Amino acid sequence: NAGVTQTPKFQVLKTGQSMTLQCAQDMNHNSMYWYRQDPGMGLRLIYYSASEGTTDKGEVPNGYNVSRLNKREFSLRLESAAPSQTSVYFCASSAGTVFTGELFFGEGSRLTVL
Amino acid sequence: KQEVTQIPAALSVPEGENLVLNCSFTDSAIYNLQWFRQDPGKGLTSLLLIQSSQREQTSGRLNASLDKSSGRSTLYIAASQPGDSATYLCAVRYGGATNKLIFGTGTLLAVQP
Repeated sequence: NAGVTQTPKFQVLKTGQSMTLQCAQDMNHNSMYWYRQDPGMGLRLIYYSASEGTTDKGEVPNGYNVSRLNKREFSLRLESAAPSQTSVYFCASSAGTVFTGELFFGEGSRLTVL
Repeated sequence: KQEVTQIPAALSVPEGENLVLNCSFTDSAIYNLQWFRQDPGKGLTSLLLIQSSQREQTSGRLNASLDKSSGRSTLYIAASQPGDSATYLCAVRYGGATNKLIFGTGTLLAVQP
C-alpha cells in the first residue's frame, strides 16, 4: 500500500520563485492536511481540507495556498517563496471528520529557499 | 493556552531496558491522543491512538496510557532494541469549539547496543 505520497522529496528555490508540493493518498480518506516541521517548533498546521472542495486555514497559512483537487489529492503552493519557508513539509490524511481519526503521514518534502 | 509538552527532549538507554516516555497536556478536555514515531529524514508513523474514553492501548511491545485528570499520557516500551531508536511524538486532539490537534516537540530516543 502506498498510503500518502508526496512529491518532490527535495527542492531548492530562490527567493521569489513559486512551486507546488503534490500530495496523494490512496486510503479513501476524507480529511487531508499540510504541516510544516521546523527544529524546536514541532509540527504546525498550514491548511487542512475536511472533504473534496473545502479547505481551511490552520495555524500558519500566510504565504501558502492549497487546492483539494479531488478526494485523493491535496496540493500546497508557494506563490513567492521566502527564506522563512525553508522547512520540511508533511502531508497527512485521516478517515472521518477532521482530526478525529488516526493520522497517516507522507515521507515529507524538504524545501530550501535561498 | 493549550500546550503539549514532552520531557525529556532526549533519552539514551541500554538495549533491553524497559522505558517510559512522557506526554503532558494542559487541558483535560481532549478528544483523543496519538503517539507517533519519526525516523531521521522520514515522515511520522502512527503507533497508537487512544480515545478520551480509553485508559490504555497496546501494540506489541508498546503500551500507551492516558490519564486525563492529571493531563498525562505515557508510552511504555518493553525490552528496548536498537531499532527503537527514533523520535517519539505525541499529538493531542482537542474537540468541541477548539477542534485542534497539537503536537509535542518529541523525545529523541537512542537505544545503545
